Amino acid sequence: DAMVIQNPRYQVTQFGKPVTLSCSQTLNHNVMYWYQQKSSQAPKLLFHYYDKDFNNEADTPDNFQSRRPNTSFCFLDIRSPGLGDAAMYLCATSRAGQGTNYGYTFGSGTRLTVV
Amino acid sequence: RKEVEQDPGPFNVPEGATVAFNCTYSNSASQSFFWYRQDCRKEPKLLMSVYSSGNEDGRFTAQLNRASQYISLLIRDSKLSDSATYLCVVIQGAQKLVFGQGTRLTINP
Repeated sequence: DAMVIQNPRYQVTQFGKPVTLSCSQTLNHNVMYWYQQKSSQAPKLLFHYYDKDFNNEADTPDNFQSRRPNTSFCFLDIRSPGLGDAAMYLCATSRAGQGTNYGYTFGSGTRLTVV
Repeated sequence: RKEVEQDPGPFNVPEGATVAFNCTYSNSASQSFFWYRQDCRKEPKLLMSVYSSGNEDGRFTAQLNRASQYISLLIRDSKLSDSATYLCVVIQGAQKLVFGQGTRLTINP
């Protein structure tokens, strides 16, 4: 089935040690997003790629970076994770112009723990 | 002011009851509106889109009032399986989903 796949489901990293989360999609959607969701809070958009164009949210810390080497893959790099970066990271995709629903599809998320 | 505001709850209602959630949004230029459902430690999943004319999907009814910038969700004959967090979602700008904090619902037997 076409879907959005996030790896790994659970990631434990050490304080200050760089970590990369990955997302892949088989939907051929041209927009990919990374959201951060902390406990009991709303998902918060970090950035998104519209095709190859990177769009950073104004309040996303510099510690968070992203790469999209091709249509199917998108990576979230956290350069120096702090304890406050522990959260669920959600990847989502959509297709520009696909009606009013845009076909938003979420991956299952990666739960990051920082020790 | 938050872009999308919801009462976080929790709402605890007996099985079979009718429950309603409300949501307000601050940006009058918002284009599309949705309700998502999120189970504990899972990703959000689309429950239904919300249209100005109101729309119904089985036991679920969604309403949009653009003048008041207000969205609602009504669940009739609630089931135990309806227990989840319900997220009000608004699209702004270039297809950006903006989420409310979510309303936690627990259906009690």
